[in-house]
Amino acid sequence: DAKTTQPPSMDCAEGRAANLPCNHSTISGNEYVYWYRQIHSQGPQYIIHGLKNNETNEMASLIITEDRKSSTLILPHATLRDTAVYYCIVRDLNTGTASKLTFGTGTRLQVTL
Amino acid sequence: KAGVTQTPRYLIKTRGQQVTLSCSPISGHRSVSWYQQTPGQGLQFLFEYFSETQRNKGNFPGRFSGRQFSNSRSEMNVSTLELGDSALYLCASSVKQMNTEAFFGQGTRLTVV
Repeated sequence: DAKTTQPPSMDCAEGRAANLPCNHSTISGNEYVYWYRQIHSQGPQYIIHGLKNNETNEMASLIITEDRKSSTLILPHATLRDTAVYYCIVRDLNTGTASKLTFGTGTRLQVTL
Repeated sequence: KAGVTQTPRYLIKTRGQQVTLSCSPISGHRSVSWYQQTPGQGLQFLFEYFSETQRNKGNFPGRFSGRQFSNSRSEMNVSTLELGDSALYLCASSVKQMNTEAFFGQGTRLTVV
């Protein structure tokens, strides 16, 4: 799986949009970009995933650059409950190891009042 | 519907002992994966079971083993416990082996003294 690079920490004011970047410059054509988050003392929670088109769900939006070498997770109106570590993961769903999630160090997002 | 259930939530064991952790996946989910989370190494994949067979394995010693039952419930066992095995052990379930979305349990916090 391709390696990802994320900033170690970010701050965001409550109510503002949180934009979390992820670099995956070695991503291959079959690899999807996934985002999970882990709130303190809980298991990771799936947020969103995409291949090359931008995606949106009730939690967030995922913007993937045209060359697919980077992406941004957007939480449109961050709340204190969004304070968590956010992990960007790339997965090839067409291989035998697709079930294995390779977590990096993630970005610790702190939402403040 | 009920989420992924892991038992026990907390456990204290002595070096040299063995331990068994349990994971009940979401009803209808047939794939169960296990992860170890430590402050130093982060989240690391242990193994994955699907239809009672181990499908993928991470880079852990043979002291770590697991199994899956016909009802998809899974157990993992760690023998000859070492201090470094102290960690949060997380279980994730998904509908099928290479499903896009994995749901994590709250984890079992194991402390080895």
